[in-house]
Amino acid sequence: SYVLTQPPSVSVAPGQTARITCGGNNIGSKSVHWYQQKPGQAPVLVVYDDSDRPSGIPERFSGSNSGNTATLTISRVEAGDEADYYCQVWDSSSDHPGGVFGGGTKLTVL
Amino acid sequence: QVQLVESGGGVVQPGGSLRLSCAASGFTFSSYGMHWVRQAPGKGLEWVAFIRYDGSNKYYADSVKGRFTISRDNSKNTLYLQMNSLRAEDTAVYYCAKDLTVTPIDYWGQGTLVTVSS
Repeated sequence: SYVLTQPPSVSVAPGQTARITCGGNNIGSKSVHWYQQKPGQAPVLVVYDDSDRPSGIPERFSGSNSGNTATLTISRVEAGDEADYYCQVWDSSSDHPGGVFGGGTKLTVL
Repeated sequence: QVQLVESGGGVVQPGGSLRLSCAASGFTFSSYGMHWVRQAPGKGLEWVAFIRYDGSNKYYADSVKGRFTISRDNSKNTLYLQMNSLRAEDTAVYYCAKDLTVTPIDYWGQGTLVTVSS
């Protein structure tokens, strides 16, 4: 089955740029989606189809995807961005299609 | 506005069964695929199952295949997850989630907790 690999944690100072990676075999050929989850809350979609933003998500959130790595970039990080972030794809490459989530990355705002 | 409200969670013994429901409102339920996603305590998200808008196709994670069944009743705007042969490792918050176009998931419920314990 398809595997997505994320760093367990990323730390960044307020106002700086955070980059969270998501590794997978030839992930550049898939559409990658990113979710933000704060403690005790349901996840929220922040980037979909590699780099699109849902309405209501600040432009500070952006995404890219190429080769074996997709990246979520959060510019001008704020304290309110502290959360767990998950990448996700739909794996249709096998005879057993299904959703796949990365293990999640905890973003800490210093 | 889109609302997804899960129910049916609780405590069940290993080997037991439980049926989760998800009442949907605020969108045309019969036009969208739906997912179940779970999260064990202190752990990450795990995709569980997906059903197409008309119920014609269903997909399952390997960890639940043969034990869980996803279904829907478009006349009642309700999604279901029948869980049989439950194991301790099925303990998690189960989220009902609306699909956009075979992912991404654009709306999530607040989740219902399932605890498998003797």
